[in-house]
Amino acid sequence: DTAVSQTPKYLVTQMGNDKSIKCEQNLGHDTMYWYKQDSKKFLKIMFSYNNKELIINETVPNRFSPKSPDKAHLNLHINSLELGDSAVYFCASSQDQLGGGYTFGSGTRLTVV
Amino acid sequence: TQLLEQSPQFLSIQEGENLTVYCNSSSVFSSLQWYRQEPGEGPVLLVTVVTGGEVKKLKRLTFQFGDARKDSSLHITAAQPGDTGLYLCAGDRGNTGKLIFGQGTTLQVKP
Repeated sequence: DTAVSQTPKYLVTQMGNDKSIKCEQNLGHDTMYWYKQDSKKFLKIMFSYNNKELIINETVPNRFSPKSPDKAHLNLHINSLELGDSAVYFCASSQDQLGGGYTFGSGTRLTVV
Repeated sequence: TQLLEQSPQFLSIQEGENLTVYCNSSSVFSSLQWYRQEPGEGPVLLVTVVTGGEVKKLKRLTFQFGDARKDSSLHITAAQPGDTGLYLCAGDRGNTGKLIFGQGTTLQVKP
């Protein structure tokens, strides 16, 4: 039973489209995150939610909108996709907003053509 | 400018050799974590260090947090092909839960 699961694993779409990535964790953690990993493998935080409340919002274009319907789910919706959005997006969770260790999902590889 | 600098970025060694990966910063971190990532998968947490000077061991892996909590190292003894992967250090500057990652060290251990 996967602790942090994201869908889809791969996403290929055209510029200008809108797409969503879903994430669910069954660890009972309070805090969830979205990270972006670029082609050089560098990981950068995008958003963090604690118990459905947004607590970290890095300088991310407002085309990216996270939504947390409950503390076990954190989805990422992206509007008007651009070529530069191509990357691997990782969902992660931690026990609380103090961090500690993260548990990552296996990633969603987004390719915008 | 990278807040956490990892070195080396690439390392290719023979099975049985020892190696050390460094993670350096001019900033103080409340905690520092090491992760290992394999192709097509997410990073997996190896260890968290929180106290300056702390040393933790995980089988053949030894992790150290600098006295001033600005740097860390990962030492692998007698590397094996199964150790191959991307090693990432990540720090939290103030118990915020926001992890800042280094750029990673790609390790290849040849049989």
